Amino acid sequence: DAGVTQSPTHLIKTRGQQVTLRCSPKSGHDTVSWYQQALGQGPQFIFQYYEEEERQRGNFPDRFSGHQFPNYSSELNVNALLLGDSALYLCASSTGRISGANVLTFGAGSRLTVL
Amino acid sequence: AQSVSQHNHHVILSEAASLELGCNYSYGGTVNLFWYVQYPGQHLQLLLKYFSGDPLVKGIKGFEAEFIKSKFSFNLRKPSVQWSDTAEYFCAVKESGYSTLTFGKGTMLLVSP
Repeated sequence: DAGVTQSPTHLIKTRGQQVTLRCSPKSGHDTVSWYQQALGQGPQFIFQYYEEEERQRGNFPDRFSGHQFPNYSSELNVNALLLGDSALYLCASSTGRISGANVLTFGAGSRLTVL
Repeated sequence: AQSVSQHNHHVILSEAASLELGCNYSYGGTVNLFWYVQYPGQHLQLLLKYFSGDPLVKGIKGFEAEFIKSKFSFNLRKPSVQWSDTAEYFCAVKESGYSTLTFGKGTMLLVSP
């Protein structure tokens, strides 16, 4: 059991549509990070949320947005979907401490297919 | 921006063979280093981590890794692999003071019985 839960596990969308992915962090964690893992690639950092604000952002366009709720859960939204957005979207949780001992716990991911 | 290179995309070994997976990173400052494993159909799991101290770190399931600062490397090793080690292995780096990870592209390990 990963402790981090994501939904949905699989979904199919068409180009131009919008998608929302959801994540509940591991108990005791207050920080949520989102990663995109394209086929044959390692996970790439999208952004991180802490205290309901975006704390860091990777090299992703503004079509990718997110939100964190008071209960620390988070959503990832992608607008105007492109074929290239097809990937496994991973949520990872951690504590808010930015220290060396901070380890990410990953969820199983949401696999998005854009047709 | 920092980058992480994993030398082999696919490795095929027989059971009981020794394993070494290479990982190099580009950042010159203080880093924390990780190896994650993704078994078929499962989520990413932490295999081992290095923060400071002894550069030889031991992880779960008999894996170990050695941090060589002068070579910017963090290679993963296991003396004798098992069929159950078949999985994809990812090296990841975190700059000290940040909490985001930069991953390599992964190495798919197939162990034949």
